[in-house]
Amino acid sequence: AQSVAQPEDQVNVAEGNPLTVKCTYSVSGNPYLFWYVQYPNRGLQFLLKYITGDNLVKGSYGFEAEFNKSQTSFHLKKPSALVSDSALYFCAVRDIDGGFKTIFGAGTRLFVKA
Amino acid sequence: NAGVTQTPKFQVLKTGQSMTLQCAQDMNHNSMYWYRQDPGMGLRLIYYSASEGTTDKGEVPNGYNVSRLNKREFSLRLESAAPSQTSVYFCASRVAGPKNIQYFGAGTRLSVL
Repeated sequence: AQSVAQPEDQVNVAEGNPLTVKCTYSVSGNPYLFWYVQYPNRGLQFLLKYITGDNLVKGSYGFEAEFNKSQTSFHLKKPSALVSDSALYFCAVRDIDGGFKTIFGAGTRLFVKA
Repeated sequence: NAGVTQTPKFQVLKTGQSMTLQCAQDMNHNSMYWYRQDPGMGLRLIYYSASEGTTDKGEVPNGYNVSRLNKREFSLRLESAAPSQTSVYFCASRVAGPKNIQYFGAGTRLSVL
């Protein structure tokens, strides 16, 4: 069965510092991996995805994520955090043979302090 | 371009009341989804519709029914609301195919007293 784990409920960083939001996954086959962001009182917005190819994926707002097959991880990173990055971040996985179902992690709340 | 539109945005129900949450998308997407979001639990899939005319159960379908009225609209019905259904509900849609991303509505915040 597919599953996604986001081990940190909350991540706190200072503005200008690098940030990492962790995600590990479990699928029976090859995964498609996604990061979404949710701002207060809004729906989820797509940030980036890994389908195949280069393990380092670049996305919106300066975010990037590294796919590590051996560690079954897909951590979200940004070199320099902004206060406006404060939001709830969700990792999601879709089994390559899973078709229509996407499994979301529990979410990690990011606080960036000025 | 409105994307995915959900109505209402907020609703308070008494236990046992019924209601329908509406969702419409204007992106000509084949697949549509209903999720609920609860603190610490992320998004859990209630029902989905892979294409017009089909619906399937997700992780947590009990207490809910859905209708894929046409390609644009996918509604979620609570026949007899319970306090355990207090949650934020999100509708999403996407083009068919596992590589494609989902587009989400702004959500419906439901309280059942």
